[in-house]
Amino acid sequence: DIQMTQSPSTLSASVGDRVTITCRASQSFSTWLAWYQQKPGKAPKLLISKASNLERGVPSRFSGSGSGTEFTLTISSLQPDDFATYYCQQYNRYPWTFGQGTKVEIK
Amino acid sequence: QVQLVQSGAEVEKPGASVRISCKPSGYFFTNYDIHWVRQAPGQGLEWMGSINPSGGSTTSAQKFQGRVNMTRDTSTSTVSLELSSLTSEDTAVYYCARASSALFYWGQGTLVTVSS
Repeated sequence: DIQMTQSPSTLSASVGDRVTITCRASQSFSTWLAWYQQKPGKAPKLLISKASNLERGVPSRFSGSGSGTEFTLTISSLQPDDFATYYCQQYNRYPWTFGQGTKVEIK
Repeated sequence: QVQLVQSGAEVEKPGASVRISCKPSGYFFTNYDIHWVRQAPGQGLEWMGSINPSGGSTTSAQKFQGRVNMTRDTSTSTVSLELSSLTSEDTAVYYCARASSALFYWGQGTLVTVSS
């Protein structure tokens, strides 16, 4: 199985900050990597697919990059609505696997 | 618009089985795989498996093999997840989600509580 490891597990930041979350894979793969945002009591929301493809309706302050074993999600200017938990997920190979999550908290 | 509507919350005893349904709408049922993801209280997301509604083929995480059964009913355009031999560690919210590439459309989640 491909293990996905996110860092940090928790991130404290202020509105307007630039935030970067890293996801490392135990095996290399190309770009079948997604990022999700989840708020309490809600289903996850797909933000980015294929490592860098911004899904429709997602604000342009979100961006994704990477390939191989290291991927990043960047929020260029954190907004109040962005305080949530973020998960990476590989869908290169079954079983699909998620990172453990990064909680973005208000500083 | 695309929607996935799941069945309601369940409370089951240890050792029992639970069956959750997911009814997609707004697209042709057999065109996209449906995946199941669960989330234990306060924990992260865990992929369980998927079903191809066209042919009914399934794939599941090794952790659940032998204990999970995913089926589809093309007459009602519904997919179902059955999980057997429940323990307290199966207490979680269970989501169905539709894949085009990644999981864009999600059901509202079904809380399964396993308690004696």
